[in-house]
Amino acid sequence: DTGVSQDPRHKITKRGQNVTFRCDPISEHNRLYWYRQTLGQGPEFLTYFQNEAQLEKSRLLSDRFSAERPKGSFSTLEIQRTEQGDSAMYLCASSLGGPSSTDTQYFGPGTRLTVL
Amino acid sequence: QKEVEQNSGPLSVPEGAIASLNCTYSDRGSQSFFWYRQYSGKSPELIMFIYSNGDKEDGRFTAQLNKASQYVSLLIRDSQPSDSATYLCAVKPDNYGQNFVFGPGTRLSVLP
Repeated sequence: DTGVSQDPRHKITKRGQNVTFRCDPISEHNRLYWYRQTLGQGPEFLTYFQNEAQLEKSRLLSDRFSAERPKGSFSTLEIQRTEQGDSAMYLCASSLGGPSSTDTQYFGPGTRLTVL
Repeated sequence: QKEVEQNSGPLSVPEGAIASLNCTYSDRGSQSFFWYRQYSGKSPELIMFIYSNGDKEDGRFTAQLNKASQYVSLLIRDSQPSDSATYLCAVKPDNYGQNFVFGPGTRLSVLP
């Protein structure tokens, strides 16, 4: 399977704990995106990487959230001091950027976070 | 605030009928438009994209774009029960930003 993969698929944590999610993009894709989706809503953009550089970050993103893509391949999203409002599906997507690309984003299966 | 709007539904159509899903967007400079299908509990999967005014067909799916009216639609011909899902409209606002702005999705139910 050469699609986007995410780990873990499910995470249950207690309020105040830190959690970290991992995303492995499609191998030739240089762009990687994180989104958050709650029930009944479309995905909400969190942040975007071009190779290892984090180029965009949503203004709605709390400073408890941090993301990295250290070698331009996989990425991690960390949430510190989790709150119940962080409960959501966290989606990772990747795309093949470039002047001739439509930049179509392909999504991974997501990580469902439940904060108790 | 760049917005994408869709009727939340549910939209119910009988098997074999044409389902018509609509999407409007606020940013007139938007360049690319995408339709994703999302089954309950699953992640979005790409159906098709369109960036030129007019129609684009792919199998049973046709995307229609009217930039002057800031309107994009998806037609599903010969609807099947397996088409029952939420359909998300996504807009890439311009050539500089890379994030998509998603609508809330329209839930489609195809009745056997």
